[in-house]
Amino acid sequence: SQQGEEDPQALSIQEGENATMNCSYKTSINNLQWYRQNSGRGLVHLILIRSNEREKHSGRLRVTLDTSKKSSSLLITASRAADTASYFCATPPSGGYNKLIFGAGTRLAVHP
Amino acid sequence: EADIYQTPRYLVIGTGKKITLECSQTMGHDKMYWYQQDPGMELHLIHYSYGVNSTEKGDLSSESTVSRIRTEHFPLTLESARPSHTSQYLCASSPQGRSREAFFGQGTRLTVV
Repeated sequence: SQQGEEDPQALSIQEGENATMNCSYKTSINNLQWYRQNSGRGLVHLILIRSNEREKHSGRLRVTLDTSKKSSSLLITASRAADTASYFCATPPSGGYNKLIFGAGTRLAVHP
Repeated sequence: EADIYQTPRYLVIGTGKKITLECSQTMGHDKMYWYQQDPGMELHLIHYSYGVNSTEKGDLSSESTVSRIRTEHFPLTLESARPSHTSQYLCASSPQGRSREAFFGQGTRLTVV
């Protein structure tokens, strides 16, 4: 079974709006990573947050981590049509840090 | 830009054929991964390696096999392709260590007819 689960499965917004995606995971983690995938392509790393961090920013991206709830959120501010993609969270599970397990992803559509 | 390459990009092949999907990286990464992904769906880890001559099966059972004879090369082989193997196969690599990002190839889209 997957380590992470994203919510919602799909999100449709207008340009300029903010997009929030959530990720829940099952086991304790060392870090949590967010990736982006354009249709039919490989994944691109966006941001990594360590288990001792609560919030991290990178440009228009803001990631939070709540280890007590085993959840993380990715916020994209002032979205653009070019942000249209699938977004995945990924974790190396505790005791298996050689593996990287992905969630099911959130499909984001940003309309001009 | 990530230096990890997958070939072929697209492959259409008949049932029963043996195929090898190639994956190479020039970053000297110890860890490499193979994921299987159906269109619009989640990624499933099918194989991973944490160094030369060290390979493990992932969480999704797969009839494919892998080898890691050289650090930079992590090919995936299907001895006898079937239509159920039709999918996208993504290769990735990451440096050693717990908090390191993974770099992905562009994927191979396999269709078995």
